[in-house]
Amino acid sequence: NAGVTQTPKFRILKIGQSMTLQCAQDMNHNYMYWYRQDPGMGLKLIYYSVGAGITDKGEVPNGYNVSRSTTEDFPLRLELAAPSQTSVYFCASSWAVRAGANVLTFGAGSRLTVL
Amino acid sequence: AQKITQTQPGMFVQEKEAVTLDCTYDTSDPSYGLFWYKQPSSGEMIFLIYQGSYDQQNATEGRYSLNFQKARKSANLVISASQLGDSAMYFCAMREGRGDDKIIFGKGTRLHILP
Repeated sequence: NAGVTQTPKFRILKIGQSMTLQCAQDMNHNYMYWYRQDPGMGLKLIYYSVGAGITDKGEVPNGYNVSRSTTEDFPLRLELAAPSQTSVYFCASSWAVRAGANVLTFGAGSRLTVL
Repeated sequence: AQKITQTQPGMFVQEKEAVTLDCTYDTSDPSYGLFWYKQPSSGEMIFLIYQGSYDQQNATEGRYSLNFQKARKSANLVISASQLGDSAMYFCAMREGRGDDKIIFGKGTRLHILP
């Protein structure tokens, strides 16, 4: 099993450009999440999904969009990139060791720089 | 308002000593879950331990234990017999409510183990 796969690993964008961060998991997890981690900081939840066709906003959704057309894929789209979106982006999926215990399995991260 | 608070930005501990990393949380929901994750300098996120709000006993996983004090809303991570490989960022996280699958993180504590 590959786990959670994120692409690309690194990307430099110019202000105003758009791009999509890809995330795929092969563990048949229903729950998927996108976080951003600014240097030296914790993770902030951008969007999450509890299943195909369902998405919800997290703590910092502005400037981002997501879709969940399949269980496996959860792409994150950045529209009109801004320097404030320079960050490391983590995708995660979760499984429940028992009811309520949604343990996150993370991808390796995507480092995005907006200049 | 911050829902997960980690008040120790950094800690230095001698190898083989026990370490306690602090975490306090804020929720009015009686059903919630608390997690700890480790992030080494390589950047990946590693799940360590989980505590459910209704669990009668404190969670333990090998050298990790969670000191859960519900009335004080604290969920401190205890690492026994620290090792050099424990040097990393440590994040406390919370899933709030049965019907809410958001998982939010604190800002983290950077732990340095000294030889």
